[in-house]
Amino acid sequence: AQSVTQLGSHVSVSEGALVLLRCNYSSSVPPYLFWYVQYPNQGLQLLLKYTSAATLVKGINGFEAEFKKSETSFHLTKPSAHMSDAAEYFCAVSVSYSSASKIIFGSGTRLSIRP
Amino acid sequence: NAGVMQNPRHLVRRRGQEARLRCSPMKGHSHVYWYRQLPEEGLKFMVYLQKENIIDESGMPKERFSAEFPKEGPSILRIQQVVRGDSAAYFCASSPPRVQEQFFGPGTRLTVL
Repeated sequence: AQSVTQLGSHVSVSEGALVLLRCNYSSSVPPYLFWYVQYPNQGLQLLLKYTSAATLVKGINGFEAEFKKSETSFHLTKPSAHMSDAAEYFCAVSVSYSSASKIIFGSGTRLSIRP
Repeated sequence: NAGVMQNPRHLVRRRGQEARLRCSPMKGHSHVYWYRQLPEEGLKFMVYLQKENIIDESGMPKERFSAEFPKEGPSILRIQQVVRGDSAAYFCASSPPRVQEQFFGPGTRLTVL
């Protein structure tokens, strides 16, 4: 069965520092992987997605993620944190049906940015 | 093209009442998914529907919860005889056929007093 595990429920970095949010996946077939961001009291916004076209995926707001099959990882990074990046981040994997899919979410990582 | 619409955005019910949550998918999307987010937790899959069909309801509680996606009109998530533990944010997502990505609505925040 497909699943994702997010390491660290809370990450705090200084403004301007590197952001690294960790995600490991489990899948018996090539996975579709996603990172979503959720700002307080809002819905989910797709940051980026991996669909096997390229291992390094660039998303919105300067985020990117690298798919590493050997490590079963899909960590999210941003070179320089901004105060507006403070939010909850969810890694997710898609479980496919014949014509659609459902998404399995990780437990989330809350990112805090220190001034 | 409007995004996924959910209403109401906030819903307050007393224990024992019924809650009805509505979701209008994006235009051209025939697949609807409901997810629940309990406080301080991630999203959990509840049910996947296509028009007039429930495809996968493996995440739905066995009692009091039901979902439908009629031929005309929005998808409805119905919770009967609500209890305090039902307090959560309920998100709807939609997708066209054969597309992995789902598009999420803003959610309905249900509070049970």
